[in-house]
Amino acid sequence: SAVISQKPSRDICQRGTSLTIQCQVDSQVTMMFWYRQQPGQSLTLIATANQGSEATYESGFVIDKFPISRPNLTFSTLTVSNMSPEDSSIYLCSVKKGGAGGRDVDPRFFGPGTRLTVL
Amino acid sequence: EDQVTQSPEALRLQEGESSSLNCSYTVSGLRGLFWYRQDPGKGPEFLFTLYSAGEEKEKERLKATLTKKESFLHITAPKPEDSATYLCAVQIVPSGSARQLTFGSGTQLTVLP
Repeated sequence: SAVISQKPSRDICQRGTSLTIQCQVDSQVTMMFWYRQQPGQSLTLIATANQGSEATYESGFVIDKFPISRPNLTFSTLTVSNMSPEDSSIYLCSVKKGGAGGRDVDPRFFGPGTRLTVL
Repeated sequence: EDQVTQSPEALRLQEGESSSLNCSYTVSGLRGLFWYRQDPGKGPEFLFTLYSAGEEKEKERLKATLTKKESFLHITAPKPEDSATYLCAVQIVPSGSARQLTFGSGTQLTVLP
C-alpha cells in the first residue's frame, strides 16, 4: 500500500478565491490522480497528474479551473480556481504503485481527502 | 455506456446478521473490479481486487466474489465497526487509456449492536 497525506484536511473559502491542495506520498509512485466526491455521490476522476508534463484531464474538467502540478514522483498539487458553491466537495488524491505497463489493474490507494466548502 | 450499479443504497443489519452487497456492471472488456470501504470524512480504503469470473477473495468477515455481470461482497456475522460505505469500481479496456476507474454510488452499511 501507500501512505498518502493531504493538506489542508478541510477549508471554508469565499466565492471567487482559489485553494491549492497538496498531496504527499511516502514513496515514489508511477501514477497520481485527483478525484472529486460531491456530497452524497461517488467518485469522479478529475485528472491524471503526470510527472514532468501537463496533467491529463477528463471530460468536463479543464486546466484553467483545476491546474495541477507534479514536480516529482511523490508530490502533487491541485488548485481549485475561481471557486463557486458548486465546487464544494471532497477532493481526493489517489496513487497507483507498480509499473506503468502491464499491471495497469493494480489497485488505487486514496488519501484522506480535503473537504472544501465554498460560501 | 459503461455502468456500475450498487444495491442496496443503504442496509441496516443487526450485529451478527449476515448479508450481501451487490455490484452489477455493464461494461465491455473488464480488467478488474475493486472493492473499497469508506468511513465518513475519510478516503476510500482498498479491500479487494477481482480479475476474472469465479474468483473469490476473503478478509476477516468479508468475502468478495465475481461473475461475468456482477460482484458480491458477503459480510458474515458483522460487527458495528463494519459500518461504512462500501464502494465498488471497475476498470475496463477502452480504446484509449486503461487508467480510468468507474465507481458505483456505494452501499451505506449500518450494523446495530
